[in-house]
Amino acid sequence: GAVVSQHPSRVICKSGTSVKIECRSLDFQATTMFWYRQFPKKSLMLMATSNEGSKATYEQGVEKDKFLINHASLTLSTLTVTSAHPEDSSFYICSARDHLADMYTQYFGPGTRLTVL
Amino acid sequence: EDKVVQSPLSLVVHEGDTVTLNCSYEVTNFRSLLWYKQEKKAPTFLFMLTSSGIEKKSGRLSSILDKKELFSILNITATQTGDSAIYLCVPSNDYKLSFGAGTTVTVRA
Repeated sequence: GAVVSQHPSRVICKSGTSVKIECRSLDFQATTMFWYRQFPKKSLMLMATSNEGSKATYEQGVEKDKFLINHASLTLSTLTVTSAHPEDSSFYICSARDHLADMYTQYFGPGTRLTVL
Repeated sequence: EDKVVQSPLSLVVHEGDTVTLNCSYEVTNFRSLLWYKQEKKAPTFLFMLTSSGIEKKSGRLSSILDKKELFSILNITATQTGDSAIYLCVPSNDYKLSFGAGTTVTVRA
């Protein structure tokens, strides 16, 4: 089945530093990957849609200069949280679509727990 | 605005019970409905439904979609403690998923 990995699974950083999160599709190619954020006991909130080889599309209210997304290959997308602050602490989840299998199912990575001190 | 309503929001059952989770949706350019299970980490995929009236089964789980009534149900029979999780009903349109609040299922031994 389609497997998506994320790295790191957990990161603690100081306020003002930048953190990069990687999302990889392990056994399929993903022209489109998605980045979500989830607060405790809340549903997933889409932050941006990442298309291989082009600029990401950000949802309303998400700062693109704060959350830099790069989708340089068909199996890798990265999210960089720049100048992180405590309010950026959250659970970040990526997903990927296997465009050769079907257009709609998204497979989620295991998530990255970010804590900004 | 797209809307997904899941009911109940939470329920507690005993091992061996059967649960039925409900989902109604209103989504522009609807294409398919996905069910996910979320435990401590990110959601894991259960089913994708695109056609009305065709039941999909996987072990003790089954699901069906009614595109006319904009409704789907997920059934879990002979529940086990490992079924305890949040179940997410997620309609998909051309490019995006819409998330409801989920149903939290707790199965007691």
